[in-house]
Amino acid sequence: NAGVTQTPKFQVLKTGQSMTLQCAQDMNHEYMSWYRQDPGMGLRLIHYSVGAGITDQGEVPNGYNVSRSTTEDFPLRLLSAAPSQTSVYFCASSALGTSGDEQFFGPGTRLTVL
Amino acid sequence: TQLLEQSPQFLSIQEGENLTVYCNSSSVFSSLQWYRQEPGEGPVLLVTVVTGGEVKKLKRLTFQFGDARKDSSLHITAAQTGDTGLYLCAVHFSGNTPLVFGKGTRLSVIA
Repeated sequence: NAGVTQTPKFQVLKTGQSMTLQCAQDMNHEYMSWYRQDPGMGLRLIHYSVGAGITDQGEVPNGYNVSRSTTEDFPLRLLSAAPSQTSVYFCASSALGTSGDEQFFGPGTRLTVL
Repeated sequence: TQLLEQSPQFLSIQEGENLTVYCNSSSVFSSLQWYRQEPGEGPVLLVTVVTGGEVKKLKRLTFQFGDARKDSSLHITAAQTGDTGLYLCAVHFSGNTPLVFGKGTRLSVIA
């Protein structure tokens, strides 16, 4: 099993550009989520999904879109990048997302917006 | 917004010393997890606690869940340089709510 994979590992964008961060898991997990990690802020939840076709907003959803057309994939879209979106982005998955479930994290995407 | 506080924010100790880090909230948790994150990688689960008063040991690491289910501690005995990293606590405030992370304790163990 590859676990949770994320691409790209690094990305530099100019303000106003759009891009998609890819996330895939091969563990047949129902629950997937996206976090951003900024210095001194810990991990903050952007969006999550409890299964194919179902998504919901987390703590910091503004400026980001998600979709979940398959169990395996959960892409994160930045429609018009802003410098405030400079961060490290982590995708995670778990079997059900319920209390006590282990979250498996990808290696992260380091995004810089100029 | 339900908040999760971790302390201390930073900790630098010598190899062989003992240390304790804390995770606290004003709200009751249904479960609590501790993760460790190394530079350039995603967090990795260390332990899950679900019962008030529960104590779990993982080699030199001892995890305690408070009786009131509002706090937890992580104690490391005889720290090693390999323990260096960011320690994150994460909770479900109820069974179906998303996982909420604290800001973490950044530990540096010096040889």
